[in-house]
Amino acid sequence: GQQVMQIPQYQHVQEGEDFTTYCNSSTTLSNIQWYKQRPGGHPVFLIQLVKSGEVKKQKRLTFQFGEAKKNSSLHITATQTTDVGTYFCAPMGSARQLTFGSGTQLTVLP
Amino acid sequence: DADVTQTPRNRITKTGKRIMLECSQTKGHDRMYWYRQDPGLGLRLIYYSFDVKDINKGEISDGYSVSRQAQAKFSLSLESAIPNQTALYFCATSDPSNNEQFFGPGTRLTVL
Repeated sequence: GQQVMQIPQYQHVQEGEDFTTYCNSSTTLSNIQWYKQRPGGHPVFLIQLVKSGEVKKQKRLTFQFGEAKKNSSLHITATQTTDVGTYFCAPMGSARQLTFGSGTQLTVLP
Repeated sequence: DADVTQTPRNRITKTGKRIMLECSQTKGHDRMYWYRQDPGLGLRLIYYSFDVKDINKGEISDGYSVSRQAQAKFSLSLESAIPNQTALYFCATSDPSNNEQFFGPGTRLTVL
């Protein structure tokens, strides 16, 4: 499967600060998905990126796919306590299976 | 997501025992998956199935087997459980139109 490095592993922010998590691959990715897992919960799909240089927004969340399709990022503007959780990137392989990154665990301090 | 259910939700067992984890879905999806999650390692794919007659090994299939009894049911078995199989196990289905995966609530398995 497609291997990715996801950084940082942990991030603590004050409520209202911004947050970014990055996924980097040494190989070109066909597409990449992002998931969020709340503490004690299960992963929930956020978005899929397919095109080179693609940028998608969901309210305060901005997702980017690099021009070379080797990296992706998720940026949250003005974090809220509801943003707490672990964010995973997951590139898709040739058999449409996902390989999840190790995740970034976000803590938002009130 | 209530459309994907897993039983049991928690299980404690002993080394050497045979364990079956069950997954059912009402989403009508052909594709189903089993993952395990360990702290700091994200989710790793164990097996996946694209229809009733199709079973594929994932990244970490050793020590596990699966059965796709019907479109809606996908079971994961540990023939002889060992302590390092202690983990959180997730079943998922995927929507073929956009590849979105829908996860069950998870089964927390402890092998003593």
